Amino acid sequence: QLQLQESGPGLVKSSETLSLTCTVSGGSISSSSYYWGWIRQPPGKGLEWIGNIYYSGNTYYNTSLKSRVTISVDTSKNQFSLKLNSVTASDTAVYYCAKYSTNWYGGYFDYWGQGTLVTVSS
Amino acid sequence: SHVLTQPPSVSVAPGKTARITCGENNIGNKGVHWYQQKPGQAPMLVIYSDSDRPSGIPERFSGSNSGNTATLTISRVEAGDEADYYCQVWDSNSDHVVFGGGTKLTVL
Repeated sequence: QLQLQESGPGLVKSSETLSLTCTVSGGSISSSSYYWGWIRQPPGKGLEWIGNIYYSGNTYYNTSLKSRVTISVDTSKNQFSLKLNSVTASDTAVYYCAKYSTNWYGGYFDYWGQGTLVTVSS
Repeated sequence: SHVLTQPPSVSVAPGKTARITCGENNIGNKGVHWYQQKPGQAPMLVIYSDSDRPSGIPERFSGSNSGNTATLTISRVEAGDEADYYCQVWDSNSDHVVFGGGTKLTVL
């Protein structure tokens, strides 16, 4: 059974960089037809897509965050990571990593991590 | 940013049928996927590609998509179905994953 687990600091200071890692177990991050994604959810609000990455390093980013986001992959560790620069209080959210399965419709997130709350403090 | 249109809330009595809509111009030309999220939990895929169910999802959950509206239908609603539901598409014009704003399903 595929499992994903987010890890990283739960508290980040304003203007600094948020860094999270997602460790994939029970399957290879290098499988074809899968992307790996980051999604966030501010407290009490809806889901916001951050971006996706393929094992080759190909990425798609949400335009609204693109200038501050970097998603990378480490196939040797079966991990992918998120960096979000210049954070503010509005970046406080639960951050999820997830597996994105692609089909001719585009794709969907079929496996999710449990999520990790990141709070931006001033 | 681009967000699919969902009603903020839907209420239904136990045993009845709940319908949650997801609207966008010509959404029928896209594949729509649905997630269930219970408090304190990660979202869970309940319908993919308009109407397919992942393994383990009850047959009470079904989906349809045509024209400008996709619909998640939950038959014989149970108390355990109370949750937030989100629709999602891939927008090939912008190469973005797009989520709906979410619908809170309340079981009366």
